Amino acid sequence: GAGVSQSPRYKVTKRGQDVALRCDPISGHVSLYWYRQALGQGPEFLTYFNYEAQQDKSGLPNDRFSAERPEGSISTLTIQRTEQRDSAMYRCASSPPGQGWEAFFGQGTRLTVV
Amino acid sequence: SQQGEEDPQALSIQEGENATMNCSYKTSINNLQWYRQNSGRGLVHLILIRSNEREKHSGRLRVTLDTSKKSSSLLITASRAADTASYFCATAVYGGGGADGLTFGKGTHLIIQP
Repeated sequence: GAGVSQSPRYKVTKRGQDVALRCDPISGHVSLYWYRQALGQGPEFLTYFNYEAQQDKSGLPNDRFSAERPEGSISTLTIQRTEQRDSAMYRCASSPPGQGWEAFFGQGTRLTVV
Repeated sequence: SQQGEEDPQALSIQEGENATMNCSYKTSINNLQWYRQNSGRGLVHLILIRSNEREKHSGRLRVTLDTSKKSSSLLITASRAADTASYFCATAVYGGGGADGLTFGKGTHLIIQP
């Protein structure tokens, strides 16, 4: 596709349920990033991949959060046993190979845990 | 944690005036990027300045970088109503093995009064 695509755009879930957020990066982009953005704040880094390899997951808040990119393209961010504090905008971005590129962001998934 | 700190947090000016936003950061960087976020929309990359550059222009945008002071500024000239948005600086620090995630500040909310 033309840009980074995230689905769903909105997700409302009950506390304790698991959710899976999907990101389809721009074709040919090697690096894929997940961020979380609270209202009125800047995006906060969660994790990133080069191809299928998860290079850094230091930003994941706890072990309820995990991410995968099994074929080096589409990625899934999974949150298990959701809590109200997980409510936020989850943003995915991708960038071309190499260093020094800007990140191309998707529209995000707004997660609300009730 | 967020490395960048934008200043001011909010800025309101008249259409046609220039808007200046500042960003300070804490660690050595490879490049610094500015992004815009319109209400309810995704993040859009505006400009990237590398650590060995001091100034960069793109249309009505001018970015400066002072690595000795660990600070950057974004100047928008001849502002328009459509420039109303939140503006974020983001720093990139590359370790070994590929692109790392961007570290964003909290943003400056710019309002252009017609």
